[in-house]
Amino acid sequence: QSVLTQPPSVSGAPGQRATISCTGSGSNLGAGYDVHWYQQLPGTIPRLLIYANTNRPSGVPGRFSGSKSGTSASLAIGGLQPEDEAIYYCQAFDSGLRGWVFGEGTKLTVL
Amino acid sequence: EVQLVESGGGLVQPGGSLRLSCAASGFTFSNYAMSWVRQAPGKGLEWVSGITAAGTYYAGSVKGRFTISRDFSKDTLYLQMSSLRAGDTAMYYCTIQPNHGIALPGWGQGTLVTVSS
Repeated sequence: QSVLTQPPSVSGAPGQRATISCTGSGSNLGAGYDVHWYQQLPGTIPRLLIYANTNRPSGVPGRFSGSKSGTSASLAIGGLQPEDEAIYYCQAFDSGLRGWVFGEGTKLTVL
Repeated sequence: EVQLVESGGGLVQPGGSLRLSCAASGFTFSNYAMSWVRQAPGKGLEWVSGITAAGTYYAGSVKGRFTISRDFSKDTLYLQMSSLRAGDTAMYYCTIQPNHGIALPGWGQGTLVTVSS
């Protein structure tokens, strides 16, 4: 069980917006540490989607956005496309564990 | 183009050792934090170890058994693994770790470690 809690699954219809939450605590997100988001498409290696809460690396579409407030963070995916079906992981540094941690991942299904 | 190429995985008996390497190219290796991340078959991502200018960091499950290091002259990241257990069986990825607002997308293709008798 991770110190970063994500819902096991979310779903949405094509064109709709989906949101994935990542809930931490005072030793990670609440302590001001950045959250990063990764996308892992089926059978592929993970890909950095959002770093430092809100920043998109070059090449990541603008319909992916991140936010953070207090002990929680969210990844929003607008205009859902079938190719967005993947597992999404949040990651942050935890001062108690003295290392980075991943959430357990959220499987996004595009209906 | 960022490239990370892992090597050194394989089949090892419980209690054995392995050293993983990750050759980096296409970016200024010394400017970035690095991490090892593993993924057991059918499971999620597990952060294993990281290295920054400030020091080295380990997951509780590997602390005291694994050692991370880097050679700036060779632009190579290492993970020395000892006292290996069945639970360490996974694909091991080398990745550029976002840190203090600095990030660069980069994951290796992974190297498979299988711990079995």
